[in-house]
Parts: sequence; structure tokens; C-alpha cells
Amino acid sequence: EIMMTQSPATLSVSPGERATLSCRASQSVSSNLAWYQQKPGQPPRLLIYGASTRDTGIPARFSGSGSGTEFTLTISSLQSEDFAVYYCQQYNYWPPSTFGPGTKVDVK
Amino acid sequence: QVQLVQSGSELKKPGASVKVSCKTSGYTFSNYAMNWVRQAPGQGLEWMGWINTYTGNPTYALDFTGRFVFSLDTSVSTAYLQISSLKDEDTAVYYCARGQGPGLPAVLNDYWGQGTLVTVSS
Repeated sequence: EIMMTQSPATLSVSPGERATLSCRASQSVSSNLAWYQQKPGQPPRLLIYGASTRDTGIPARFSGSGSGTEFTLTISSLQSEDFAVYYCQQYNYWPPSTFGPGTKVDVK
Repeated sequence: QVQLVQSGSELKKPGASVKVSCKTSGYTFSNYAMNWVRQAPGQGLEWMGWINTYTGNPTYALDFTGRFVFSLDTSVSTAYLQISSLKDEDTAVYYCARGQGPGLPAVLNDYWGQGTLVTVSS
């Protein structure tokens, strides 16, 4: 089973600032990595797949990069609606597909 | 538009069973996989497995073998999750999530149900 780790656990950012979230896989997952956003009381929302492709309707301020074992989600200028928990998921080797533990982005 | 609508919250006693439904609309049901994901209170996301909606063949993650059953009723475009012999630690929100079609990753989830809270308590 591939283990996913995310850092930091919590990221405190001011609105308008840039946020950089990291995700690491225990072995290479190529570019088969997705990012999801989850707000309290809501289901996750797919943001990025293929490590860098934004899903339909996702604002351009969200960008993903990386391949192999190291991945980054960048939010270029945080908006109020972006404060949430972000999860990465690998779908290169499954079953099982595995999620990271999440990074909470909160207001500084 | 694509929609996945899950059944309502459930309160069950230990040892009982529960069946969660996920009714879909806005797309051809049998063309896309269906995944199930668990989220315990205050915790992260845990992939439970998926079901091939064309063949009906389920695949379970190791932690979800035995008491968990995925099923379908294609006539009403609905997927089901049944959990038997419920334990306190099964208390969680359970999500259905649409996977991708043939030739694409079945476990990449683009649409999600709203979640069903299952509470197990005596």
C-alpha cells in the first residue's frame, strides 16, 4: 500500500497571500495524483488530477505540480472561500487508492 | 447535471445493520465506476473500495472486507453500501463518489454524494 503524507498539517495564511501545500508518496505514483478541497459539512471537491490538470470550473489560482513522489498544490492568492482542508490522493497503484491526512488552510 | 443523492442519517445499535443508498442522475450510470469513502468524525478520507457498475463486480480495501457490501440497482441508477454487525468505530460519514469510465482510473472521483452520517451507539 502506498502511504501518502502531507505537510504542513495546518497552514495559516492571510487573504490574498500565496499558499503552498505539499504531498509526498512513499513510492513513485507517476503523475497519478489528485487534490481535493473539503469545507466543513460538505463532501470533497475535485480540484486537480493528473498532478497538474484543473478539473472543470476550478479557478486558475489553483495549480498543481510534481511527479513521482513529490507534489505541490499552490493557491496563488487566497480568497475567503479557499479556507478549507485539502487532501491529496494517489491513484497509480490501487487497490487501495490512498489519501493523504490533509492540510488545513486557515486564516492567519 | 450530474447528481449523487444519498439517503439520510442513521442511528443504529451495535450489532445491527445499515444500508446506505446513493441515487444518481444526469449521466449513464453503468458507464462510470462508483466508489465509497469513509470519514470518521474529525478525521480524514478513507477509500473503502469501488464497484464496477457495468459488471457489478466490487473491490474492497483490506479494512473493509467481510462486513461491508457494495451493490447496485441499475434499473434506478442507484448504488448501495450495506454494513452488518455494526461497531462503535463504524460511526462516520459515508460518501459515494463517481469514478471514471472504462480505460480511465476508476478511483478518481469527480462527483460526490452529500454524505450519510451513520452513528452507532447503544
